Amino acid sequence: QKEVEQNSGPLSVPEGAIASLNCTYSDRVSQSFFWYRQYSGKSPELIMSIYSNGDKEDGRFTAQLNKASQYVSLLIRDSQPSDSATYLCAVNPGRGSTLGRLYFGRGTQLTVWP
Amino acid sequence: DAGVIQSPRHEVTEMGQEVTLRCKPISGHNSLFWYRQTMMRGLELLIYFNNNVPIDDSGMPEDRFSAKMPNASFSTLKIQPSEPRDSAVYFCASSRGRGTNEKLFFGSGTQLSVL
Repeated sequence: QKEVEQNSGPLSVPEGAIASLNCTYSDRVSQSFFWYRQYSGKSPELIMSIYSNGDKEDGRFTAQLNKASQYVSLLIRDSQPSDSATYLCAVNPGRGSTLGRLYFGRGTQLTVWP
Repeated sequence: DAGVIQSPRHEVTEMGQEVTLRCKPISGHNSLFWYRQTMMRGLELLIYFNNNVPIDDSGMPEDRFSAKMPNASFSTLKIQPSEPRDSAVYFCASSRGRGTNEKLFFGSGTQLSVL
């Protein structure tokens, strides 16, 4: 069973603060990791991907990966009310019959209040 | 690029009726996925095609569900007969292939309500 676990939240932060979203996964040989944002009533939208240990920055978003700890996180700096959404962590195990498919966590609901 | 196109956007039907959901993947993408999303279970993979061939259908709930991909630009998910517990949002997604770093792109989804 390939599990992806996220804190369901809700996570509530004030505008301008840093929001920290966390994800752990069970398959230790997983290869690639993604963060999707899903607004209420909309489809998931890819916002970050990370494949190597360390940090990857894209604008206000930073993804962090630690394969030894089987942990991936997403930091949102200078949070805005428009960041209010559910954030889904996804993992690609990258081998065998599972190659190419993603396993999703249940998502963390983020609210940024003005 | 038009993205992944799904139809219909909303479907309301009565228990026992047949439901057909449709999907057109992004041109050039070789992998297609059908997901179901509910509050209780989150996003669940139902079936996964690569080059029009089903690779993994272990997520298909039961025989009432079937999926086809007759060509690279079209797929259907059929529920027959439908039941109230099938009510959910059904997403189709596509990616370029079966690589390790493939990124998944979702359609707008079909909101299914079975009364």
